[in-house]
Amino acid sequence: AQTVTQSQPEMSVQEAETVTLSCTYDTSESDYYLFWYKQPPSRQMILVIRQEAYKQQNATENRFSVNFQKAAKSFSLKISDSQLGDAAMYFCALQGGSEKLVFGKGTKLTVNP
Amino acid sequence: DTGVSQDPRHKITKRGQNVTFRCDPISEHNRLYWYRQTLGQGPEFLTYFQNEAQLEKSRLLSDRFSAERPKGSFSTLEIQRTEQGDSAMYLCASSSRDGSSYEQYFGPGTRLTVT
Repeated sequence: AQTVTQSQPEMSVQEAETVTLSCTYDTSESDYYLFWYKQPPSRQMILVIRQEAYKQQNATENRFSVNFQKAAKSFSLKISDSQLGDAAMYFCALQGGSEKLVFGKGTKLTVNP
Repeated sequence: DTGVSQDPRHKITKRGQNVTFRCDPISEHNRLYWYRQTLGQGPEFLTYFQNEAQLEKSRLLSDRFSAERPKGSFSTLEIQRTEQGDSAMYLCASSSRDGSSYEQYFGPGTRLTVT
């Protein structure tokens, strides 16, 4: 079975500061993908960033970057220069061996002005 | 491209009633997924379609749940004899192949409350 664990139910950050959200996963697949999704309050889930497991280089998307540690099965998300609009639930997700996504329980990010 | 749409956005029903939800995927996407999200949890996979074929079903999808995707376009998810435990947000997503992964785009969800 594939699992995704997000050990931080809540995190907070000051506007313009940097925050890192943690995610660990477990899979027996050799080929898989990892994603971070953002779910703002009462709004739909949107993809923030994705990482192919076969790529050693960490993915980046503007202010969002990941630290992918394959051996440790760790996939953290770093948000730089945090903005008020970054406040949301963040979900880490795994896709491997099947098209379905396996999600963690999420981390609620609060951005303080 | 109008994104994934779901209807209704909210549904309140009494225990024992049947409900049906609809999902319209992004027009060029041939894959469609259903997930269920309860309060404080991440979404859980229910089922997915490639065109009109239902390729995978979760054990969460009990006999009271049925999903269809006639003609490979929109999809419906029906819950028969609803129970209070069915109260959740039902999310639909669609995708097409992007390299070797299927990046999923989510709709706004249908929030079901069973009283």
